[in-house]
Amino acid sequence: DSGVTQTPKHLITATGQRVTLRCSPRSGDLSVYWYQQSLDQGLQFLIQYYNGEERAKGNILERFSAQQFPDLHSELNLSSLELGDSALYFCASNVGENTDTQYFGPGTRLTVL
Amino acid sequence: AQSVTQLGSHVSVSEGALVLLRCNYSSSVPPYLFWYVQYPNQGLQLLLKYTTGATLVKGINGFEAEFKKSETSFHLTKPSAHMSDAAEYFCAVSTNTGGFKTIFGAGTRLFVKA
Repeated sequence: DSGVTQTPKHLITATGQRVTLRCSPRSGDLSVYWYQQSLDQGLQFLIQYYNGEERAKGNILERFSAQQFPDLHSELNLSSLELGDSALYFCASNVGENTDTQYFGPGTRLTVL
Repeated sequence: AQSVTQLGSHVSVSEGALVLLRCNYSSSVPPYLFWYVQYPNQGLQLLLKYTTGATLVKGINGFEAEFKKSETSFHLTKPSAHMSDAAEYFCAVSTNTGGFKTIFGAGTRLFVKA
């Protein structure tokens, strides 16, 4: 158990819909990272938040957005969903230094029908 | 910008045989290097990492990796494969420039035959 929690574990929705994925980092960690893992794209970094502020951006679509709240939990919002958004979405956390190990949550499996 | 290349999307070894998973990186500054493992239906977990100091790094479950700057490589090895080593392995690189992005390789799936 990494100490990072993600909800829900599974999510099934339809094209065009909007969903919110939630992540609670390990106690004491200030940084949260979001990743998308799919068979064709592999593990793609989406975005990083550090203590409530966006710190780094990766291959995140404009239809996707994220935020980190004062209690340090984070939410990833996916809107106007397409079939190709079906993937595993992972959250990871660490103290915030890039030499640090990232601790990954168990992931949310999103299926868009 | 940094990048990571993992040679071989699939590697198959017999139980008891040497495991060698290859990783090459590209970075204009000294990198921090990581190997993560992902078991089915789980998140990634750290096997080992190189930041500074000794270039031979030992990790969990008998794995080790050697940072070779001249070859820009960070290959992962284990002397004797066990059935429980079957998983997907990801090499990752992180640097102090361009923000805090950590770039992951495409992954190598390790199969272990009895």
